[in-house]
Amino acid sequence: NAGVMQNPRHLVRRRGQEARLRCSPMKGHSHVYWYRQLPEEGLKFMVYLQKENIIDESGMPKERFSAEFPKEGPSILRIQQVVRGDSAAYFCASSPGQASYEQYFGPGTRLTVT
Amino acid sequence: GENVEQHPSTLSVQEGDSAVIKCTYSDSASNYFPWYKQELGKGPQLIIDIRSNVGEKKDQRIAVTLNKTAKHFSLHITETQPEDSAVYFCAASRRQNFVFGPGTRLSVLP
Repeated sequence: NAGVMQNPRHLVRRRGQEARLRCSPMKGHSHVYWYRQLPEEGLKFMVYLQKENIIDESGMPKERFSAEFPKEGPSILRIQQVVRGDSAAYFCASSPGQASYEQYFGPGTRLTVT
Repeated sequence: GENVEQHPSTLSVQEGDSAVIKCTYSDSASNYFPWYKQELGKGPQLIIDIRSNVGEKKDQRIAVTLNKTAKHFSLHITETQPEDSAVYFCAASRRQNFVFGPGTRLSVLP
Protein backbone atom coordinates (compact mmCIF):
# COMPACT_ATOMS: atom_id res chain seq x y z
CA ASN A 1 0.00 0.00 0.00
CA ALA A 2 1.76 3.13 -1.21
CA GLY A 3 2.13 5.96 1.22
CA VAL A 4 1.50 9.66 0.69
CA MET A 5 3.38 10.86 -2.36
CA GLN A 6 4.65 14.36 -2.95
CA ASN A 7 6.42 15.88 -5.91
CA PRO A 8 8.70 17.41 -6.65
CA ARG A 9 10.91 16.57 -3.66
CA HIS A 10 13.03 19.67 -4.26
CA LEU A 11 11.98 22.84 -6.04
CA VAL A 12 14.04 25.94 -6.74
CA ARG A 13 12.29 29.13 -7.82
CA ARG A 14 13.44 32.68 -8.35
CA ARG A 15 11.66 35.51 -6.59
CA GLY A 16 8.43 36.36 -8.39
CA GLN A 17 7.93 32.94 -9.99
CA GLU A 18 5.16 30.48 -9.19
CA ALA A 19 5.57 27.25 -7.24
CA ARG A 20 3.24 24.26 -7.62
CA LEU A 21 3.46 21.46 -5.11
CA ARG A 22 1.58 18.19 -5.63
CA CYS A 23 0.31 15.63 -3.17
CA SER A 24 -1.30 12.25 -3.79
CA PRO A 25 -2.93 10.85 -0.63
CA MET A 26 -2.75 7.25 0.49
CA LYS A 27 -5.13 4.91 -1.29
CA GLY A 28 -8.58 5.15 0.25
CA HIS A 29 -7.87 8.49 1.94
CA SER A 30 -10.14 11.39 1.02
CA HIS A 31 -8.79 14.08 3.37
CA VAL A 32 -5.63 16.08 2.72
CA TYR A 33 -3.76 18.54 4.92
CA TRP A 34 -0.87 20.87 4.10
CA TYR A 35 1.74 21.95 6.66
CA ARG A 36 4.79 24.20 6.42
CA GLN A 37 8.02 23.62 8.32
CA LEU A 38 10.70 26.27 8.64
CA PRO A 39 14.28 25.13 9.45
CA GLU A 40 14.65 23.94 13.07
CA GLU A 41 10.94 24.55 13.76
CA GLY A 42 7.78 22.51 14.14
CA LEU A 43 5.09 22.06 11.53
CA LYS A 44 2.45 24.76 11.06
CA PHE A 45 -1.00 23.90 9.74
CA MET A 46 -1.97 25.64 6.50
CA VAL A 47 -5.09 24.10 4.97
CA TYR A 48 -7.41 21.08 5.16
CA LEU A 49 -9.22 19.82 2.07
CA GLN A 50 -11.59 17.12 1.01
CA LYS A 51 -12.34 16.29 -2.60
CA GLU A 52 -13.47 19.53 -4.31
CA ASN A 53 -13.86 21.33 -0.95
CA ILE A 54 -11.69 23.49 1.25
CA ILE A 55 -12.72 22.70 4.82
CA ASP A 56 -10.32 24.89 6.83
CA GLU A 57 -7.81 27.37 5.41
CA SER A 58 -7.23 29.29 8.62
CA GLY A 59 -3.46 28.70 8.54
CA MET A 60 -2.87 29.74 4.97
CA PRO A 61 -1.75 33.31 4.11
CA LYS A 62 -4.57 35.24 2.44
CA GLU A 63 -2.43 36.43 -0.44
CA ARG A 64 -0.38 34.46 -2.99
CA PHE A 65 -1.27 31.03 -1.54
CA SER A 66 -4.05 28.75 -2.79
CA ALA A 67 -4.89 25.06 -2.54
CA GLU A 68 -7.16 22.65 -4.32
CA PHE A 69 -8.06 18.98 -4.27
CA PRO A 70 -9.95 18.19 -7.48
CA LYS A 71 -12.26 15.27 -8.07
CA GLU A 72 -9.53 13.61 -10.12
CA GLY A 73 -5.81 13.95 -9.55
CA PRO A 74 -3.56 15.16 -6.76
CA SER A 75 -3.99 18.02 -4.35
CA ILE A 76 -2.10 21.15 -5.41
CA LEU A 77 -0.59 23.85 -3.21
CA ARG A 78 0.14 26.90 -5.33
CA ILE A 79 2.33 29.81 -4.30
CA GLN A 80 2.33 32.80 -6.61
CA GLN A 81 5.08 35.43 -6.81
CA VAL A 82 7.31 33.59 -4.37
CA VAL A 83 9.51 35.51 -1.94
CA ARG A 84 12.56 34.34 0.01
CA GLY A 85 10.43 33.92 3.14
CA ASP A 86 8.49 31.15 1.38
CA SER A 87 11.58 28.92 1.49
CA ALA A 88 10.59 25.98 3.68
CA ALA A 89 9.63 22.33 3.63
CA TYR A 90 5.99 21.77 2.73
CA PHE A 91 4.41 18.56 3.93
CA CYS A 92 1.18 16.96 2.93
CA ALA A 93 -0.70 14.50 5.14
CA SER A 94 -3.76 12.38 4.48
CA SER A 95 -6.38 10.61 6.56
CA PRO A 96 -9.23 8.23 5.73
CA GLY A 97 -12.06 10.48 6.88
CA GLN A 98 -13.65 12.52 9.62
CA ALA A 99 -14.07 9.56 11.96
CA SER A 100 -10.33 8.91 11.86
CA TYR A 101 -7.90 11.16 13.70
CA GLU A 102 -4.64 9.75 12.32
CA GLN A 103 -2.73 11.71 9.70
CA TYR A 104 0.04 10.15 7.63
CA PHE A 105 2.68 12.41 6.16
CA GLY A 106 4.47 12.41 2.84
CA PRO A 107 8.21 13.01 2.38
CA GLY A 108 7.74 16.74 1.76
CA THR A 109 8.75 19.25 -0.90
CA ARG A 110 11.69 21.46 -0.06
CA LEU A 111 11.18 24.84 -1.69
CA THR A 112 14.14 27.17 -2.11
CA VAL A 113 13.56 30.70 -3.36
CA THR A 114 16.65 32.41 -4.76
CA GLY B 1 -6.25 28.97 19.96
CA GLU B 2 -4.27 25.93 20.97
CA ASN B 3 -0.65 26.31 22.06
CA VAL B 4 1.68 23.34 22.56
CA GLU B 5 4.96 23.51 24.44
CA GLN B 6 7.54 20.74 24.38
CA HIS B 7 10.57 20.01 26.60
CA PRO B 8 13.43 19.45 26.42
CA SER B 9 14.49 20.87 23.07
CA THR B 10 17.49 18.52 22.98
CA LEU B 11 18.09 15.26 24.81
CA SER B 12 21.12 12.98 24.84
CA VAL B 13 20.99 9.52 26.41
CA GLN B 14 23.24 6.48 26.48
CA GLU B 15 22.15 3.49 24.47
CA GLY B 16 19.92 1.30 26.63
CA ASP B 17 18.73 4.16 28.86
CA SER B 18 15.22 5.61 28.83
CA ALA B 19 14.15 8.91 27.28
CA VAL B 20 11.19 11.04 28.32
CA ILE B 21 9.77 14.00 26.37
CA LYS B 22 6.99 16.15 27.83
CA CYS B 23 4.38 18.36 26.21
CA THR B 24 1.76 20.71 27.59
CA TYR B 25 -1.28 22.06 25.78
CA SER B 26 -3.62 24.96 26.47
CA ASP B 27 -6.99 24.01 24.95
CA SER B 28 -8.93 21.74 27.32
CA ALA B 29 -11.13 20.72 24.37
CA SER B 30 -8.22 18.97 22.62
CA ASN B 31 -8.90 15.25 22.49
CA TYR B 32 -6.24 13.64 20.32
CA PHE B 33 -2.49 13.62 20.94
CA PRO B 34 -0.14 12.01 18.40
CA TRP B 35 3.64 11.71 18.49
CA TYR B 36 5.77 11.83 15.35
CA LYS B 37 9.38 10.90 14.65
CA GLN B 38 11.19 12.83 11.93
CA GLU B 39 14.52 11.73 10.55
CA LEU B 40 16.74 14.09 8.58
CA GLY B 41 15.32 14.86 5.16
CA LYS B 42 12.17 12.80 5.69
CA GLY B 43 8.53 13.38 6.54
CA PRO B 44 7.14 12.91 10.08
CA GLN B 45 6.26 9.32 10.93
CA LEU B 46 3.41 8.58 13.33
CA ILE B 47 4.81 6.41 16.13
CA ILE B 48 2.07 6.43 18.76
CA ASP B 49 -1.06 8.37 19.67
CA ILE B 50 -3.54 8.66 22.50
CA ARG B 51 -7.10 9.90 22.81
CA SER B 52 -8.46 11.89 25.72
CA ASN B 53 -10.52 9.00 27.09
CA VAL B 54 -7.34 6.97 27.75
CA GLY B 55 -4.62 7.65 30.33
CA GLU B 56 -1.82 5.49 28.96
CA LYS B 57 -0.94 3.54 25.85
CA LYS B 58 2.04 1.30 25.15
CA ASP B 59 3.54 -0.19 22.00
CA GLN B 60 6.67 -2.27 22.60
CA ARG B 61 9.41 0.16 23.74
CA ILE B 62 7.24 3.26 23.34
CA ALA B 63 4.56 4.53 25.71
CA VAL B 64 2.51 7.69 26.02
CA THR B 65 0.78 9.01 29.14
CA LEU B 66 -1.88 11.70 29.30
CA ASN B 67 -2.94 13.85 32.26
CA LYS B 68 -6.06 15.73 31.17
CA THR B 69 -6.39 17.66 34.41
CA ALA B 70 -2.89 19.09 34.16
CA LYS B 71 -3.07 19.25 30.34
CA HIS B 72 0.17 17.48 29.70
CA PHE B 73 1.26 14.30 27.97
CA SER B 74 4.58 12.51 27.74
CA LEU B 75 6.45 10.14 25.44
CA HIS B 76 8.53 7.40 27.06
CA ILE B 77 11.10 5.39 25.10
CA THR B 78 12.76 2.51 26.95
CA GLU B 79 15.93 0.59 26.01
CA THR B 80 16.93 3.29 23.54
CA GLN B 81 18.87 2.33 20.41
CA PRO B 82 20.98 4.48 18.05
CA GLU B 83 18.21 4.27 15.43
CA ASP B 84 15.92 6.11 17.86
CA SER B 85 18.00 9.24 17.20
CA ALA B 86 15.71 11.76 15.46
CA VAL B 87 13.53 14.80 16.11
CA TYR B 88 10.30 13.99 17.94
CA PHE B 89 7.19 16.16 17.70
CA CYS B 90 4.08 16.09 19.84
CA ALA B 91 0.76 17.52 18.66
CA ALA B 92 -2.66 18.31 20.06
CA SER B 93 -5.93 18.42 18.18
CA ARG B 94 -9.65 18.80 18.74
CA ARG B 95 -10.49 19.05 15.08
CA GLN B 96 -8.66 18.00 11.99
CA ASN B 97 -5.79 20.50 12.10
CA PHE B 98 -2.94 19.58 14.42
CA VAL B 99 -0.99 22.06 16.51
CA PHE B 100 2.59 20.83 16.85
CA GLY B 101 5.17 21.39 19.52
CA PRO B 102 8.58 22.79 18.48
CA GLY B 103 10.28 19.39 18.63
CA THR B 104 12.88 17.52 20.67
CA ARG B 105 16.16 16.40 19.11
CA LEU B 106 17.02 13.03 20.66
CA SER B 107 20.54 11.67 20.35
CA VAL B 108 21.23 8.11 21.50
CA LEU B 109 24.93 7.67 22.13
CA PRO B 110 26.40 4.20 21.49
